[in-house]
Amino acid sequence: DGGITQSPKYLFRKEGQNVTLSCEQNLNHDAMYWYRQDPGQGLRLIYYSQIVNDFQKGDIAEGYSVSREKKESFPLTVTSAQKNPTAFYLCASTFATSGDLNEQFFGPGTRLTVL
Amino acid sequence: AQRVTQPEKLLSVFKGAPVELKCNYSYSGSPELFWYVQYSRQRLQLLLRHISRESIKGFTADLNKGETSFHLKKPFAQEEDSAMYYCALSSRPFSGGYNKLIFGAGTRLAVHP
Repeated sequence: DGGITQSPKYLFRKEGQNVTLSCEQNLNHDAMYWYRQDPGQGLRLIYYSQIVNDFQKGDIAEGYSVSREKKESFPLTVTSAQKNPTAFYLCASTFATSGDLNEQFFGPGTRLTVL
Repeated sequence: AQRVTQPEKLLSVFKGAPVELKCNYSYSGSPELFWYVQYSRQRLQLLLRHISRESIKGFTADLNKGETSFHLKKPFAQEEDSAMYYCALSSRPFSGGYNKLIFGAGTRLAVHP
């Protein structure tokens, strides 16, 4: 595997702290996505970005923030405002444009646990 | 509302038995549908998409617009098929914006020897 990486693999956070999850890709993909995966709920979209310096809220953006300063990187910050942040977080990327949706490639994920 | 429903959380079959993982969708436009699979300790990956009409690892899926379904089928299950399967719908906005995927809750397929 390669191409899209996430770090760290496991992350522990105390209540009230902000934490940042890293997502990097070397596939030259334009679009990047953050999902949250909870048992029995599938994948829910947090934020997505089609180009550098632009991003859109997904279905569950509250309590999260992102930036897209470089094409290769799309870090996700889980803020203290997120009420239930314990989950598995997946990053994905694709060559998608506004006219088509190509295959999304997924990273290995980060498991965040709030202590 | 745009929605993907996978009614079964768990599907348990014996090796060699036929498999059908159900997926129903709700979408007002022309849908594009996908099946993604996550094997144990591996990344989520694309299994197949309806527009390519291909068969991957013996799995097929036919889009039925009348029944708004995209069920995944395999005539003879193998133990290595055991995994989590997600049905996904490509959401195209009517005016501007970008595409995104809407995932179902997933079905865990367990194939027993």
